[in-house]
Amino acid sequence: KNQVEQSPQSLIILEGKNCTLQCNYTVSPFSNLRWYKQDTGRGPVSLTIMTFSENTKSNGRYTATLDADTKQSSLHITASQLSDSASYICVVSAMTGGSYIPTFGRGTSLIVHP
Amino acid sequence: DVKVTQSSRYLVKRTGEKVFLECVQDMDHENMFWYRQDPGLGLRLIYFSYDVKMKEKGDIPEGYSVSREKKERFSLILESASTNQTSMYLCASRPDRNQPQHFGDGTRLSIL
Repeated sequence: KNQVEQSPQSLIILEGKNCTLQCNYTVSPFSNLRWYKQDTGRGPVSLTIMTFSENTKSNGRYTATLDADTKQSSLHITASQLSDSASYICVVSAMTGGSYIPTFGRGTSLIVHP
Repeated sequence: DVKVTQSSRYLVKRTGEKVFLECVQDMDHENMFWYRQDPGLGLRLIYFSYDVKMKEKGDIPEGYSVSREKKERFSLILESASTNQTSMYLCASRPDRNQPQHFGDGTRLSIL
């Protein structure tokens, strides 16, 4: 069964600090991996997408890495801001019968304190 | 900017009622999805549709059905609502399988 595990479940950091969120997956056959940010009371918004051949991708202060051999990804947030407080969701898609089916992690809840 | 609109932010219904959740997207996207999101469980796929009048079951389709009569509209139907269907429901759309999904802001449904 395809699974996506995220850690930690929750994280509290001070404004200006860096942090790293982890995602481990057992999804096959792997198609792509996305990180989404979900603000409280809103739908998730895509931050990055990574395919099998990519191992780093940046979007402003967000940098995602992918190790397809160990089936791990991380999302690094640099110089955190209060607006980074949100849930971060790792989503891995598999290609099954011509369809791309996403499997969602349970998310990491990040709180940034002033 | 892509807009995915869910008809209600909050909805309260009674056990046994037939419930309709509506979702409309304004970007001519081919694919549309319905999820439910529960604390500690993350998003779970209920149904999805790759084209008009097409539908596919997701991971948890039991107790739900969907309708896609027009490309821009994807409806989720609870045939006979039960208390375990109390949840946050999220609709999403994407142009094709290589693009990210765009989500609505969700409908928080309570079944009493």
